[in-house]
Amino acid sequence: EVQLMESGGGLVQPGGSLRLSCEASGFTFSSYSMAWVRQAPGKGLEWVSAISGGIDKRYYAPSVKGRFTISRDNSKNTVYLQMDSLRAEDTAFYYCTKDRLTSTTPSWFFDRWGRGTLVTVSS
Amino acid sequence: DIQMTQSPSSLSASVGDTVTITCRASQGIHNFVAWFQQKPGKAPKSLIYAASSLQSGVPSRFSASGSGTDFTLTISSLQPEDFAIYYCQHYFTYPPSFGQGTRLEI
Repeated sequence: EVQLMESGGGLVQPGGSLRLSCEASGFTFSSYSMAWVRQAPGKGLEWVSAISGGIDKRYYAPSVKGRFTISRDNSKNTVYLQMDSLRAEDTAFYYCTKDRLTSTTPSWFFDRWGRGTLVTVSS
Repeated sequence: DIQMTQSPSSLSASVGDTVTITCRASQGIHNFVAWFQQKPGKAPKSLIYAASSLQSGVPSRFSASGSGTDFTLTISSLQPEDFAIYYCQHYFTYPPSFGQGTRLEI
């Protein structure tokens, strides 16, 4: 069974940093692209960042480019999201998601989601 | 970037009803559309991919269709557990994007 377990969320001041982790199990982690999607409380879904499965290619939404860094450690079946220069508008639930297909580049359809971790940016 | 516009934004229905939610893409995206269901306090759950293919384990009362720019999700014989928020998403190209959601209420 596919499982995605996020951790690392919490309260941080504007301008601060936080690193989210997502530990995966139940599938061959290294073969799949992974992504982060966020949802501000009471709002809709916003794709944030993705990392390919086969080659080290990374993608970012314009709203986070230059501030967030996605990475993965295939030996630990874990994907990370390093978030720097955090702003109030980054406050959201952050979901770790898995691509439906195995490929060297994302299919952009992420069919399995973790439960999410809440990031609150406030002074 | 491709925009996805859902309608209606909210919908009231009763158990046993049939409802339809629509999603329009700002440009043609073939059949690269997925539908998600989100219940309060839970992560979104994938229902449909490739515009009309049901994810494993999703009840057959859920169906979807469309191609190009116009897509629909239909839920037949609504059950109490179907009352939730529904999102469409295109995955035709990078960056992917979601519709703004449709709240289905009793």
